[in-house]
Amino acid sequence: DTGVSQDPRHKITKRGQNVTFRCDPISEHNRLYWYRQTLGQGPEFLTYFQNEAQLEKSRLLSDRFSAERPKGSFSTLEIQRTEQGDSAMYLCASSLASRGRSYNEQFFGPGTRLTVL
Amino acid sequence: GQQLNQSPQSMFIQEGEDVSMNCTSSSIFNTWLWYKQDPGEGPVLLIALYKAGELTSNGRLTAQFGITRKDSFLNISASIPSDVGIYFCAGPPDQGNMLTFGGGTRLMVKP
Repeated sequence: DTGVSQDPRHKITKRGQNVTFRCDPISEHNRLYWYRQTLGQGPEFLTYFQNEAQLEKSRLLSDRFSAERPKGSFSTLEIQRTEQGDSAMYLCASSLASRGRSYNEQFFGPGTRLTVL
Repeated sequence: GQQLNQSPQSMFIQEGEDVSMNCTSSSIFNTWLWYKQDPGEGPVLLIALYKAGELTSNGRLTAQFGITRKDSFLNISASIPSDVGIYFCAGPPDQGNMLTFGGGTRLMVKP
């Protein structure tokens, strides 16, 4: 496994700007998840995909947030009209149910740290 | 929503000491996961537990799935400096497909 990769690793933006993050899951993992983590807290679920279908969204995912996984491989998370409260680490994870392993065993990428000025 | 409570919140120990931390929930979990996170990085999966009472080891790490299904424990034996980091418990609530995480236990090891 080459691991989950995320790009960029860091993003600084001004309030009101739009930002987009990319996640490349472990190849052949059909589930992909987005989480948000603020300082001193554990990650909080935002949304997940099975293949290209977005199956669940958290109440944390406001209308300014949109996620896509058009071909069932990489995913993008876009935040429109960023606010200072959006500053956080955005984590992507992927998983695959297989013999001896369930979808719950999620493998995380290094995250994208967003700072909104 | 369901919450996972981890204790202690932080620990400062001497290299070579054993470490114990736990995670409790007000409701039943059918899966418990333990992750370690280094500063500026994503969480790394350490151990997954699927059966009540299950005891699973990964090197110097041992985790247990509590019999009540409402708690889990992680032990680290003979700690070393690279054990420093934040340890999170996690699990899928209500047969959900996402993970709920605890607040973490920050481990610091003095050489």
